[in-house]
Amino acid sequence: KQEVTQIPAALSVPEGENLVLNCSFTDSAIYNLQWFRQDPGKGLTSLLLIQSSQREQTSGRLNASLDKSSGRSTLYIAASQPGDSATYLCAVLNNAGNMLTFGGGTRLMVKP
Amino acid sequence: NAGVTQTPKFRVLKTGQSMTLLCAQDMNHEYMYWYRQDPGMGLRLIHYSVGEGTTAKGEVPDGYNVSRLKKQNFLLGLESAAPSQTSVYFCASSRPPDRAKNIQYFGAGTRLSVL
Repeated sequence: KQEVTQIPAALSVPEGENLVLNCSFTDSAIYNLQWFRQDPGKGLTSLLLIQSSQREQTSGRLNASLDKSSGRSTLYIAASQPGDSATYLCAVLNNAGNMLTFGGGTRLMVKP
Repeated sequence: NAGVTQTPKFRVLKTGQSMTLLCAQDMNHEYMYWYRQDPGMGLRLIHYSVGEGTTAKGEVPDGYNVSRLKKQNFLLGLESAAPSQTSVYFCASSRPPDRAKNIQYFGAGTRLSVL
C-alpha cells in the first residue's frame, strides 16, 4: 500500500525567505506526482505535475523535483510572500491511473 | 467556466439519515472521484469512475455508494449516516492518465456533520 509523508507538518517563515517542502512515498511505481495548494475552507488547486519520467517542473516562483528511485519530491518556493500562506499537499498517482494517494500536507504561514 | 461544482456546501445529519452529494463537471472529463478529508490525514479516495455507467471502490468505500448515470455527474450516497462519516467531502475530475496535462480538478467541498 502506497504511503505518502510530508515534512514538516507546519512551517512559519518571514516574508522573502526561500523554503523547501518535502514529500516522500513508499512505492516508486508511480505514474506522476502532483503538488496542490489548499486554502482554508476551499478545494485543492493543482500547482505542478511531474510525470514519472521527469525530474522537475517549474512554474513562476515554484519548482518541484522528483527522485522516483528514492521516493522523494521537494517543492521549492522562492522569495515567499504572505499570499503563499496555505496548506500544500503532494499526491502520487498509481500506474493504473485510478488512485491518487495524498500526504497529510504542510501548513505554511508566511509572515509580513 | 464552472469547473467542478458540488452541492450542497454544508449539511448536518442525524445518525441513520440518508443523503446524496452531487458533483457536476463541465470539462467533459472521463474520470471522476470522491474523496474525504479528515484532520491530519490528507485526502482518501472513497470511490471513483472511469466513465459513464462505471464505478469502482477506492481506499475507504464502506458506508458509501455511488452512481455515474451521466458523464458530467457523479453522485455519492450515504444510506445510513454514522458519526464516523463526519468529514469534508471533495469531488474531482480528470482526463485519463495517458492524456497530456492529466491533473485533477477539485470542487470546493461539502462539509458534513453527523450527530
